[in-house]
Amino acid sequence: DAKTTQPTSMDCAEGRAANLPCNHSTISGNEYVYWYRQIHSQGPQYIIHGLKNNETNEMASLIITEDRKSSTLILPHATLRDTAVYYCIVSGGADGLTFGKGTHLIIQP
Amino acid sequence: KAGVTQTPRYLIKTRGQQVTLSCSPISGHRSVSWYQQTPGQGLQFLFEYFSETQRNKGNFPGRFSGRQFSNSRSEMNVSTLELGDSALYLCASSLRGVKTDTQYFGPGTRLTVL
Repeated sequence: DAKTTQPTSMDCAEGRAANLPCNHSTISGNEYVYWYRQIHSQGPQYIIHGLKNNETNEMASLIITEDRKSSTLILPHATLRDTAVYYCIVSGGADGLTFGKGTHLIIQP
Repeated sequence: KAGVTQTPRYLIKTRGQQVTLSCSPISGHRSVSWYQQTPGQGLQFLFEYFSETQRNKGNFPGRFSGRQFSNSRSEMNVSTLELGDSALYLCASSLRGVKTDTQYFGPGTRLTVL
């Protein structure tokens, strides 16, 4: 699986959009980009995934660059409950998800 | 639809003992994966089962084993526990365990080895 690079931590004001970047420059053509988040000591929660098109669901939007070497997760109106560690993961499936250290997003009141 | 459930949620054992953890996947999901999360190593893949067969295995010693039943429920076993086995053990299920399937995680079992 391709390796991902994420900032260690980020702050965002409550009510503003949180934009979390992820670099995955070695991604191959058939690998998906997945985003999960983990609130302290709970199981990771699936947020969104995509292959090459931008995706949106009730939780977030995923913007993938045209060359697929990076992506951005957007939480449109961050709340205090969005404070968590966010993991960007490439591929997965039967080989298991390879989690990096993720980004610790802190929503400030 | 009910989510992934794991039992027990918390467990305390002593070195040398063995432990069995249980995972019930989302109804209709046939793939179950297990992960270990520790502060030092983060989240690491242990193994994956599909249709009662282990399909993939991570880089863990043979003390870690698992099985899957015909109803897709899965158990993992750790024998001869070591202090370093203290961790949050997570189970995730998906429809078929392929790249296009999303994995959904349970709440985890917190194992403490004394």
